[in-house]
Parts: sequence; structure tokens; C-alpha cells
Amino acid sequence: QLQLQQSGPGLVKPSETLSLTCTVSGGSISSDSHYWAWIRQPPGKGLEYIGSIHYSGSTYYNPSLKSRVTISVDASKNQFSLKVTSVTAADTAVYYCGRDGITTKFDYWGQGTLVTVSS
Amino acid sequence: QSVLTQPPSVSAAPGQKVTISCSGSSSNIANNFVSWYQQFPGTAPKLLIYDNNKRPSGIPDRFSGSKSGTSATLGITGLQTGDEADYYCATWDRLSGGFVVFGGGTKLTVL
Repeated sequence: QLQLQQSGPGLVKPSETLSLTCTVSGGSISSDSHYWAWIRQPPGKGLEYIGSIHYSGSTYYNPSLKSRVTISVDASKNQFSLKVTSVTAADTAVYYCGRDGITTKFDYWGQGTLVTVSS
Repeated sequence: QSVLTQPPSVSAAPGQKVTISCSGSSSNIANNFVSWYQQFPGTAPKLLIYDNNKRPSGIPDRFSGSKSGTSATLGITGLQTGDEADYYCATWDRLSGGFVVFGGGTKLTVL
């Protein structure tokens, strides 16, 4: 059974960089048929797509976040990561990693990480 | 403001049927597959429907999906109190190089 385990700090200071990692177990991240995604949800609000990456390095990003976001993959560790620079309080959210079956089919999700931006 | 438009809330009695709409445009729903997610408070979303109308293993056939033009619909029959949750639609949008868009979410209340 595929599992996605998220790790990273739950508190980030304004103007600093948010960094999260998602470790995939029970399967390989080097799948031609899947992308690996980050999605976030501000408290009390809906889901927002951040971006996706293929093990080959191909990426897609939400245009509204693209200038501040980098998603990378380390196939040797079966991990992919998210970095968001210059964070503000508006970046406070629960961040989820997920597997994207290309046709917008997010079938496996991480447990979610609440990241609070505060000094 | 979400790219895909969903009603903020719907409600129905146990045993009844409810539908949740998801309205988009020619750059997203009209030319791409739609998926639907169920989310309970404090938990990760769960895939309910993918490729417009397919159900993952373990999802009961009380849940169904359809698409027509620039809109999609999630149907739930035989409502149970355990269905009370938030529901989201999602699809690909080809604008700005392509990215995933979600609906704003619909809160289902089972009265």
C-alpha cells in the first residue's frame, strides 16, 4: 500500500522560506504514469493547487504562486520537496502532498502539515 | 475566487439524493477530466470520482459523477449521516501553461 509521509517545520517566520518534504513508501516515485503534487488549504478555506513534479523533473505550477515556489524530486530517496520563498501570513495553511495520476486523479495523500507563518 | 464554481452548501434528508454542481469553462472542464473529493474536518481529502465518472476501489456506487459541456455533477444517493462532509471538484486548466484548479467546495449537510 502506497504511503506518503510529510516532514518539515510547522512554524516559519515572515519573509523566510517554507520547506516541506514528502517521502513515498510502498511504491516508487519513478513512475512514468504519475506526477507528485503539493496542495494547500488555508484554515477554514478550500483546496489550492501549488504544483506537481514528474520524476523526470517536469513541473507544473499554479501561476499565482509560481514566482515563489520550487518543487524538486530526489528519486534516490523516493522523496519530493516543496519550497516557498518570502512567506507571509497568507501562506499559513495545511499543506498536503499527493500522487497525481495525470488526469487530475489525486489518489494518495500525505497526512497534512499545518504551517503557520508568524514571528 | 475559485476558477470552478460550486454551491457553498447543499442539504438533504437521510435516504434522499443530492447533486453538487461544478461549473467551469472551455479552458478547463470542457476539455479535461473531472475528479471529485470528499473531506472530513481535520483529515486529508479522499478521491471519490476520477475521469468524470469512475469510482476508485472501495467507493460505493451511491456516488456517481457526470460531465456535460463546461459543467460536472456529483450525485449521492441513499444519503447517510456519515456523508456529511465537504466536497471538491478538480480538473486541469490549459491556461498559463496548464495547472490544476479546484472548486471552492460544497458543504453537505444531512438533515
